Amino acid sequence: DIQMTQSPSSVSASVGDRVTITCRASQGIGSRLAWYQQKPGKAPKLLIYAASTLQSGVPSRFSGGGSGTDFTLTISSLQPEDFATYYCQQANSFPYTFGQGTKLEIK
Amino acid sequence: QVQLVESGGGVVQPGRSLRLSCAAFGVSFSSYAMHWVRQAPGKGLEWVAVISHDGNIKNYADSVKGRFPISRDNSKNTLYLQMSSLRTEDTAVYYCARAFPDPYYWYFDLWGRGALVTVSS
Repeated sequence: DIQMTQSPSSVSASVGDRVTITCRASQGIGSRLAWYQQKPGKAPKLLIYAASTLQSGVPSRFSGGGSGTDFTLTISSLQPEDFATYYCQQANSFPYTFGQGTKLEIK
Repeated sequence: QVQLVESGGGVVQPGRSLRLSCAAFGVSFSSYAMHWVRQAPGKGLEWVAVISHDGNIKNYADSVKGRFPISRDNSKNTLYLQMSSLRTEDTAVYYCARAFPDPYYWYFDLWGRGALVTVSS
């Protein structure tokens, strides 16, 4: 199975800050990577797929990058509604696997 | 309104069975592959199973293989997960999710609200 490792596990930031979350795959996955946002008690929401393609309706302050084994999710200017947990997911091979999550908290 | 609605969750004893359903509304259900994804309390996301749009292709996580067959009834716009030989570690919120982009299985673009399954004696 492909292991997905996110860093950091948690981060504190302020409204307006720029934040970057990293996801590393245990083997190369090309660009078959997605990012999800999850708020407490809610289902995850697809933000980015194919490593860097913004899902329809997602604000442009979210961006994704990387390929192979190393990927990033960047939020350019944090808004109050962005405080949540973020997960990466690989879709290169079954079983699909997720990172352990990064909790983005208000400083 | 486009939505997925899970049902069938509850409290069940170890070793018993439970069937989850996921009804699709406002979507062309028969055109899409569908997934189940679960989340144990306070934990991360775990992919469980996928089924192709026509039900002919299925794939499972090792943790549920042989215990949780996935199926669908396109005439009823409904996805199922038949859970048997349940274990305490199967306790989780179970989400159904639509595969994206069509016709691939790769990502999950539409999610239900989830159904809580608690396995406890």
